[in-house]
Amino acid sequence: NAGVMQNPRHLVRRRGQEARLRCSPMKGHSHVYWYRQLPEEGLKFMVYLQKENIIDESGMPKERFSAEFPKEGPSILRIQQVVRGDSAAYFCASSPLEFEGEAFFGQGTRLTVV
Amino acid sequence: GESVGLHLPTLSVQEGDNSIINCAYSNSASDYFIWYKQESGKGPQFIIDIRSNMDKRQGQRVTVLLNKTVKHLSLQIAATQPGDSAVYFCAENRNQAGTALIFGKGTTLSVSS
Repeated sequence: NAGVMQNPRHLVRRRGQEARLRCSPMKGHSHVYWYRQLPEEGLKFMVYLQKENIIDESGMPKERFSAEFPKEGPSILRIQQVVRGDSAAYFCASSPLEFEGEAFFGQGTRLTVV
Repeated sequence: GESVGLHLPTLSVQEGDNSIINCAYSNSASDYFIWYKQESGKGPQFIIDIRSNMDKRQGQRVTVLLNKTVKHLSLQIAATQPGDSAVYFCAENRNQAGTALIFGKGTTLSVSS
């Protein structure tokens, strides 16, 4: 049973480009969460999704950031017109129920904006 | 601002010692807490969890203690090993529908041989 898969592991983008981060939850998990981690910091909640629905996006910046979890395929975190301040590690977690029990995290995507 | 935090950003111990990592939380409605371990370059890894109807839970070499009166959570690691070196985060679920885990800043545990 594969764990939470995130790709790419490392992503370099120039300022103004778009970044797309992908997350495939564990098999049987229908709840996906995205977190951002700055160096030496904890994980900051961004968005919580279920299939085809955004449940809570209170941690998402109002502009340039969007997330989706389609009926088929991985969850996507999209950052448009990236700026240097977007450089961070982005982690995805999945759980079988609404935070009943542990959430399993992927290895993260490290985004570097140059 | 942060509602889940740890008392010390770093903790250094000798191999074989017991380690205690502390965490304070501020939301009285939180009913579920988890400790995660994060090694360099990796995602957080579940260690142990505890619900608010318990005050202690034990795992393999780890024990989590919950004091709801003072809103304090601790992780005890017995016979600490070099492989335990990592950043440890506590996280809380605020018992609100549709909310995700809220993480504190973390404590870096360094184990020397």
